[in-house]
Amino acid sequence: AQKITQTQPGMFVQEKEAVTLDCTYDTSDQSYGLFWYKQPSSGEMIFLIYQGSYDEQNATEGRYSLNFQKARKSANLVISASQLGDSAMYFCAMTQGSNYKLTFGKGTLLTVNP
Amino acid sequence: NAGVTQTPKFRVLKTGQSMTLLCAQDMNHEYMYWYRQDPGMGLRLIHYSVGEGTTAKGEVPDGYNVSRLKKQNFLLGLESAAPSQTSVYFCASSLYRGSGGAADTQYFGPGTRLTVL
Repeated sequence: AQKITQTQPGMFVQEKEAVTLDCTYDTSDQSYGLFWYKQPSSGEMIFLIYQGSYDEQNATEGRYSLNFQKARKSANLVISASQLGDSAMYFCAMTQGSNYKLTFGKGTLLTVNP
Repeated sequence: NAGVTQTPKFRVLKTGQSMTLLCAQDMNHEYMYWYRQDPGMGLRLIHYSVGEGTTAKGEVPDGYNVSRLKKQNFLLGLESAAPSQTSVYFCASSLYRGSGGAADTQYFGPGTRLTVL
């Protein structure tokens, strides 16, 4: 069974600083995808970044990058130059193999302080 | 390109009433999903569809029915609402599923906040 663990219920960061949100996963499948979503207080789920299990390079999307360490089964999200608008809940999620299911972690609440 | 839209955004029902939540996507995605999000429970899959005319049960299907008569629409029905169905409901769609690739990315609608009294 696939499992996602986010060990940080809450994180604080100063505006313009970088922050890393942790995510570890557990799967026995060789083919899987890792995703990060942002959920601001307004409630919508916004897709941020994707990393495939066979991708050799870390994914990047603007200020977001995914620190993928396959041997450690970790897929940490790095947000550079934090902005006040980055304050939100962040979810790590995974699909594996032929499974339709997107499994979510419990999320990390990020607060960016001015 | 609106992506995934959901109607209504908010709804209050009395126990025993019925309602239908509508999800529409304009990305020509084959796969569509309904989730519910509850505090402390995360997102749980209710039902999903792998194509027009097909539906399947997810993790928590009891009390819900779905239909996918058109590729772009996915309807979630509550026949007899119960207070336990008070939740935020999200619809999502993806181009593909199970590929282990970027095409598995699920794009979410804005959500429907449902309260059952």
